[in-house]
Amino acid sequence: AIRITQSPSSLSASTGDRVTITCRASQGISSYLAWYQQKPGKAPKLLIYAASTLQSGVPSRFSGSGSGTDFTLTISCLQSEDFATYYCQQYYSYPPWTFGQGTKVEIK
Amino acid sequence: EVQLVESGGGLVQPGGSLRLSCSASGFTFSSYAMHWVRQAPGKGLEYVSAISSNGGSTYYADSVKGRFTISRDNSKNTLYLQMSSLRAEDTAVYYCVKPRRYSSSWYFDYWGQGTLVTVSS
Repeated sequence: AIRITQSPSSLSASTGDRVTITCRASQGISSYLAWYQQKPGKAPKLLIYAASTLQSGVPSRFSGSGSGTDFTLTISCLQSEDFATYYCQQYYSYPPWTFGQGTKVEIK
Repeated sequence: EVQLVESGGGLVQPGGSLRLSCSASGFTFSSYAMHWVRQAPGKGLEYVSAISSNGGSTYYADSVKGRFTISRDNSKNTLYLQMSSLRAEDTAVYYCVKPRRYSSSWYFDYWGQGTLVTVSS
């Protein structure tokens, strides 16, 4: 199975900050990577697929980049509603679909 | 609007059994493979199981193989997960997940609200 290493596991930031989360795949996965946001007690919500394509309705302050093994999720100007846990997921080789360990974005 | 509504979770003793259901609406259920993903308390997402659109093909993570059975009833737009020989480490919120096709692959676009399974004596 393809392993996904996500970093950092947590970060503290302030409203208005630029935040970057990275995922590294154990082998090349082209652009078959998705990003999800999860708030406490809620189901994950799709933010980005195909590494950089924004899901409908997702604010443009979210962006994704990367291809191959290295990927980045960027939140350009952190808003209060963005404090959550973020997961990446590869869908290049499956089953199983595999997830990163998650990054918790907390208020500084 | 796509809706996935899980039910059937609860408290069960180690070694016991439980059947989860996921009622789907807002899309052509019979055209999609479906998935279960779980999340232990305070932990990350773990892929559990999948079933093809017609139910003829299934997949299980090693951690549940031989103990869990995924099935579906396309006439009722319902996905199931029969869990047996439950262990404490199966304690988690179980999510029913719908995939979406991208190029030659599939990612997950809709998740149910989840149902909590607690295995404890």
